Amino acid sequence: GAGVSQSPSNKVTEKGKDVELRCDPISGHTALYWYRQRLGQGLEFLIYFQGNSAPDKSGLPSDRFSAERTGESVSTLTIQRTQQEDSAVYLCASSLDGTGIYEQYFGPGTRLTVT
Amino acid sequence: AQSVTQLDSHVSVSEGTPVLLRCNYSSSYSPSLFWYVQHPNKGLQLLLKYTSAATLVKGINGFEAEFKKSETSFHLTKPSAHMSDAAEYFCVVSEGYGNKLVFGAGTILRVKS
Repeated sequence: GAGVSQSPSNKVTEKGKDVELRCDPISGHTALYWYRQRLGQGLEFLIYFQGNSAPDKSGLPSDRFSAERTGESVSTLTIQRTQQEDSAVYLCASSLDGTGIYEQYFGPGTRLTVT
Repeated sequence: AQSVTQLDSHVSVSEGTPVLLRCNYSSSYSPSLFWYVQHPNKGLQLLLKYTSAATLVKGINGFEAEFKKSETSFHLTKPSAHMSDAAEYFCVVSEGYGNKLVFGAGTILRVKS
């Protein structure tokens, strides 16, 4: 079946512009996660959605970052007034249920470059 | 807070020789631990996971890892490296409610012919 998909695969933007990144999780997965991977580093957790519950935003680095999810489907991560330090690969993952230790399936990522 | 430390940023082995990628974790309670692999230009893939059952965990492609509580370690091993094993490997711990993953910095495995 289809895996996690993300769009765009690459995004180059000018400093100060807003960007929107999209994630389509695996159908039926109630949990959805966003992570960031800076060059040469491991992934950093950003935000977690579980069904219709309020999201866990504890990993968002600043109020310029926000994310939404419609029910148990598509999610968008928005970065306002982008800065050069926002350059990274943004990865989305989904799993059957975040309340258990289920495998997280990762998308291919969106590579964001802020010039 | 949970954390993991991968002790080597790069490991180089010859094809057919054993692989050892080292990981230490820090956790205030019994952790769930994972190894993920990331091949160039490909997505992250789960190799194996430990969730407080057997301490020796077998994964895909001949990899295995042993959970050692006394040493707070979760090292990844494979008896015989293959060229296709060249990739970046991440040791990961699950943190709290929601199964949020905390990643190590990664170890790049190079396999020489």
